[in-house]
Amino acid sequence: GNSVTQMEGPVTLSEEAFLTINCTYTATGYPSLFWYVQYPGEGLQLLLKATKADDKGSNKGFEATYRKETTSFHLEKGSVQVSDSAVYFCALASGGSYIPTFGRGTSLIVHP
Amino acid sequence: SQTIHQWPATLVQPVGSPLSLECTVEGTSNPNLYWYRQAAGRGLQLLFYSVGIGQISSEVPQNLSASRPQDRQFILSSKKLLLSDSGFYLCAWDGEIANTGELFFGEGSRLTVL
Repeated sequence: GNSVTQMEGPVTLSEEAFLTINCTYTATGYPSLFWYVQYPGEGLQLLLKATKADDKGSNKGFEATYRKETTSFHLEKGSVQVSDSAVYFCALASGGSYIPTFGRGTSLIVHP
Repeated sequence: SQTIHQWPATLVQPVGSPLSLECTVEGTSNPNLYWYRQAAGRGLQLLFYSVGIGQISSEVPQNLSASRPQDRQFILSSKKLLLSDSGFYLCAWDGEIANTGELFFGEGSRLTVL
């Protein structure tokens, strides 16, 4: 079946540091890949997505590249801000139903 | 534009009491709807999904049930809450273009069972 593995958090960084949150997946076929962000006390919202191999999703300074050869979709940002503090979820969807499978989430804490 | 709402936002209930969480989607018809639970440190767990009125699929056996009495309404219920039912409950739909894997979430309902 489908599965998503994310690095465990929390990830603690200083403002303007470089961010990487690792995500690897197992899936049948050719899944679409997503990163969602959850700010404290809120629901999830889509951050970026990629639908085929070598696609790069980007939004708000965040980027992730769909790497089929390594089955990975790592999230990166060159310079994080305090306002980026949130929980980040990697997810995939594939197959006929397209119900997404989520990773466990990675908490990011950015200090001033 | 389409929006999704769920309520109540916060709920504190004693063990053994009933539960009703409600979710509605505006501005669309026949959406696919989902209930997820987010327990502390355990990520998102899909509880139920629905592709139409009266059509409910359960992903895990548990103390909860779901109903879809109207096209844009999705209700999560329990007759008798357990301590383990505590968590953050999220309703979602998959947008105007269904089956892309992208979901749109409500604001969440935090349930504490004491």
